[in-house]
Amino acid sequence: SSELTQPPSVSVSPGQTSTITCSGHKLGNKYVFWYQQKPGQSPVLVIYQDNKRPSGIPERFSGSNSGNTATLTISGTQPFDEADYYCQAWDISAAVFGGGTKLTVL
Amino acid sequence: EVQLVESGGGLVQPGGSLRLSCAASGFTFSSYAMTWVRQAPGKGLEWVSLIGGSSGPTYYADSVKGRFIVSRDNSRATFYLQMSSLRPEDTAGYYCAKGGLVGSTYYFDSWGQGTLVTVSS
Repeated sequence: SSELTQPPSVSVSPGQTSTITCSGHKLGNKYVFWYQQKPGQSPVLVIYQDNKRPSGIPERFSGSNSGNTATLTISGTQPFDEADYYCQAWDISAAVFGGGTKLTVL
Repeated sequence: EVQLVESGGGLVQPGGSLRLSCAASGFTFSSYAMTWVRQAPGKGLEWVSLIGGSSGPTYYADSVKGRFIVSRDNSRATFYLQMSSLRPEDTAGYYCAKGGLVGSTYYFDSWGQGTLVTVSS
């Protein structure tokens, strides 16, 4: 199955834009999904089908996917956005998760 | 409101078996795929298995193929993971999640709180 690569960590200051990448072979040909997981909590879907937001997810969260890289962007990052973020794709007959990115809001 | 409640976790010896359950409510259970995802302590998410809506198909990660069996009882709105030949590396929190489907792509739109499985002698 394919692999998805994420940076282990990203740090931003409050109010800045956070960018988290997810790389994989021809990833732009697949749909990508993003999950947020805060310490001690279950994951929450924040982006589906590359760039769609589930109900209840703030407009600050957006996504894109092209070529070999998908990107999760958080505009005006807030301290409560601090969490681990995982990308996910479906590869023929298996789900694949990226290794996760720890977002720190300094 | 979608609710998913896992149960059945615990301590088991290497080589042993365990069955996890996930009780679902708040949606038409039989119409949706269901999946298991695990997370070893301090590690990332690892997909384990998925069963499609109604009665299948089923999919497994290579790491559990031949040892784990996923099933569902639509009359009880419950989803199961039968785990056998357990190994220490199977130690993890196991989450059940409701599947979404876009085209032929599955994703996971609601998650339970998880149940902990510890494989140790």
